[in-house]
This record gives sequence, structure tokens and C-alpha cells, in this order.
Amino acid sequence: DIQMTQSPSSLSASVGDRVTITCRASQSISRYLNWYQQKPGKAPKLLIYAASSLQSGVPSRFSGSGSGTDFTLTISSLQPEDFATYYCQQSYSTLGTFGQGTRVEIK
Amino acid sequence: ELQLVESGGGLVKPGGSLRLSCAASGFSFNSYTMNWVRQAPGKGLEWVSSISSTNDYIYYADSVKGRFTISRDNAQNSLYLQMNSLRAEDTALYFCARDTVISLWGQGTMVTVSS
Repeated sequence: DIQMTQSPSSLSASVGDRVTITCRASQSISRYLNWYQQKPGKAPKLLIYAASSLQSGVPSRFSGSGSGTDFTLTISSLQPEDFATYYCQQSYSTLGTFGQGTRVEIK
Repeated sequence: ELQLVESGGGLVKPGGSLRLSCAASGFSFNSYTMNWVRQAPGKGLEWVSSISSTNDYIYYADSVKGRFTISRDNAQNSLYLQMNSLRAEDTALYFCARDTVISLWGQGTMVTVSS
């Protein structure tokens, strides 16, 4: 099974900060990497698919990059509504394993 | 409107069984792989099981293999998860989810396994 490891597990940031979250796969997954945002009590929301493609309706301050085993989600200027937990997920293999999540908290 | 609505969750004793359902609407259900994803209280997301659009391919996480069975009825636009031999560690919010890149999620149904 492909393991996904995110870092950091949590971070504190201020509105306007640039935030970067990384995700590493245990084997190459090409660009089959997706990012989700989840707020408390809600289902996850797709932000980025295929490593760098922005889902329709998602603000352009979100961006993704990477290929192979190393990937990054960047929020260029953190907004109040961005405080949430972020998950990476590989869709390379049949069971699309998730990373453990990164909680973005208010500083 | 695109929608997935789960039902069937509840409180069950260890060793018991439960059947979850997911009703789909607003899209061609029979064109998509469907999945169950769960989230234990305060924990991350875990992919549980997937079934291809025509039932050709079915996959399970090791943690549920042999105990859970996924199925679908394309005529009824419905997805199911039969859960047997339930354990305390199966306690979670169970989401119905569309496709391997999940742009559509249900609201979840809570399963609690406790004596």
C-alpha cells in the first residue's frame, strides 16, 4: 500500500501569511495527488487535483506543485476562512490513501 | 442538484452488524466509481472501500477486509456498505464519496460501536 506523509501536522499562522504544506508518497505516484480542505463538522472539499489543477470555484491563492513522491500545497495569503485541516490523497492506486492531515490554526 | 445522502448509521454492540446506504442524485450514478471513506472522532480520513461503475472491481482497506461488503444498485442510484463483526475501532463518521478524485461527498452517517 502507498503511504502518504504530511508535514507539519499542525501550524499556526496569521492572516496574510504564506503557508506551505508538504506531502510525501512512499513510492512514485506521478501527479496523481489531490488536496482537500475540511472544516469542523463538514465533509472535505476538493481544492487541487492532479497535483496542480485548481478545482472550479477554489480561490487562486491556493496552488499545488510536485510530482513523483514530493508535493506541496501553498496558500499565498492566508484568509480567515482558510483556517481548517488540509489532507493530501493519492489517486494512483485503487485505494486512494490520505495523508494524516495538517491543521492550520490562527496565530 | 448533485447530492449524496447517507443513512443507516447508529449505535451497535461489538460483534454486531449494520448496513449503510447512500442515495445519489443529480448525476449519472452508473458512470462513476463509488467509495466509502470514514473518519474516527478527532482523527483523519481513511479510505474504506471502492466499487467500480459496473461492479467489475471491488477493493477494501486491510482494516475491514473480510468483514465489510460494498455493493451498488445502479437502477436505484444507491451504494451500500454491509458491516459485520463490528469493532470499537470501526466507530467513525462514514462518508459516501464519488470517484477516485472526490469532488462530491455526502454529509456522513455516524457509526458507534460500543457495549
